[in-house]
Amino acid sequence: SQQGEEDPQALSIQEGENATMNCSYKTSINNLQWYRQNSGRGLVHLILIRSNEREKHSGRLRVTLDTSKKSSSLLITASRAADTASYFCATDNDNAGNMLTFGGGTRLMVKP
Amino acid sequence: SQTIHQWPATLVQPVGSPLSLECTVEGTSNPNLYWYRQAAGRGLQLLFYSVGIGQISSEVPQNLSASRPQDRQFILSSKKLLLSDSGFYLCAWGSGSPLHFGNGTRLTVT
Repeated sequence: SQQGEEDPQALSIQEGENATMNCSYKTSINNLQWYRQNSGRGLVHLILIRSNEREKHSGRLRVTLDTSKKSSSLLITASRAADTASYFCATDNDNAGNMLTFGGGTRLMVKP
Repeated sequence: SQTIHQWPATLVQPVGSPLSLECTVEGTSNPNLYWYRQAAGRGLQLLFYSVGIGQISSEVPQNLSASRPQDRQFILSSKKLLLSDSGFYLCAWGSGSPLHFGNGTRLTVT
């Protein structure tokens, strides 16, 4: 079953603008991860935030986690055309770290 | 460094034909291995995962099966494909989080 659900499903912005994607989940988690997928390719891990963390940065990426609301957001600042891809959140809610449950993804298009 | 190989990249098969997709990992030992399926424009559905040789857990009952004959080899199979088996199949490995994905196999069942 789907654990994470991204919002919006699709987002179109101009280069240089910021892109914000949201993810909601249903059960308690050990960590939450964001992945990127270029069209027709595999997923690439972007960033992991643990359940006891509230915010994390990596380059132009900023992830927040609100466990009380069971939600996370991914912010991409100063977007570039090369950021065009689908972005997925995934929750790790298995204590052994064996299982990830992915949301449906946000399709981001950055127009040059 | 660790790498994951998945093949073929694309496959067109008739209904009722068998299927064998292979995935191998290099540069790591005793990884957890996963098969996911992705419908067009959708998220990933976990099909199978394995924590060791011969150990397979199935998440979704269907006409697919998986095997792990060697530590770093994971195979997805079907004896008779259905139209509904069409999709993008992704192999991944991980030892805990995060997961590392192959480039996927686009399967079209006609």
